[in-house]
Amino acid sequence: EPEVTQTPSHQVTQMGQEVILRCVPISNHLYFYWYRQILGQKVEFLVSFYNNEISEKSEIFDDQFSVERPDGSNFTLKIRSTKLEDSAMYFCASSVLGGRAGETQYFGPGTRLLVL
Amino acid sequence: AQSVAQPEDQVNVAEGNPLTVKCTYSVSGNPYLFWYVQYPNRGLQFLLKYITGDNLVKGSYGFEAEFNKSQTSFHLKKPSALVSDSALYFCAVTWGNFNKFYFGSGTKLNVKP
Repeated sequence: EPEVTQTPSHQVTQMGQEVILRCVPISNHLYFYWYRQILGQKVEFLVSFYNNEISEKSEIFDDQFSVERPDGSNFTLKIRSTKLEDSAMYFCASSVLGGRAGETQYFGPGTRLLVL
Repeated sequence: AQSVAQPEDQVNVAEGNPLTVKCTYSVSGNPYLFWYVQYPNRGLQFLLKYITGDNLVKGSYGFEAEFNKSQTSFHLKKPSALVSDSALYFCAVTWGNFNKFYFGSGTKLNVKP
């Protein structure tokens, strides 16, 4: 069964450094998402992406965040200058379509980011 | 404000007994409700969803959930729990043509032999 994959599984970085989290969505899916979960808190939506554009983003997704689909398979989340409060589990998800009622999103295993 | 609540941080049940994991929601339109399960070091795995139609939906691994509009609830159920059902369960909601999911805080299910 196809799965969303994410690399790395864990990332430790120093405050102020740039990090890139990588995801490979399910191959026939067209919508891609990033969510994050700060320890002890809810899973929160960050951004959705379709047709090489951001289709929706949350207030969390400020200028220090960016997303890209650099090739036909990868989907990345870049954090330009990490802060301590960026420490979280980051989940990538994909769906066949989006922008319509109740499309199922399929999630990867997550990348645990620790900012020191 | 849109929200999802899972009132129980943890649910303990004996193997073979029925289980219920609770979820209530608040959205401004017709809700689309999902249950996901997370095993250690794994992603969120889709279990089932309610879009429209029959209020009782059946999903993977023998789980089912009942949509109750008047109580704004979508509780996850299974008639007979297995030890292997022990995991973290998340309820999520979306509505309209929105892509983003709102998640509950998660409920840890412990099934004891």
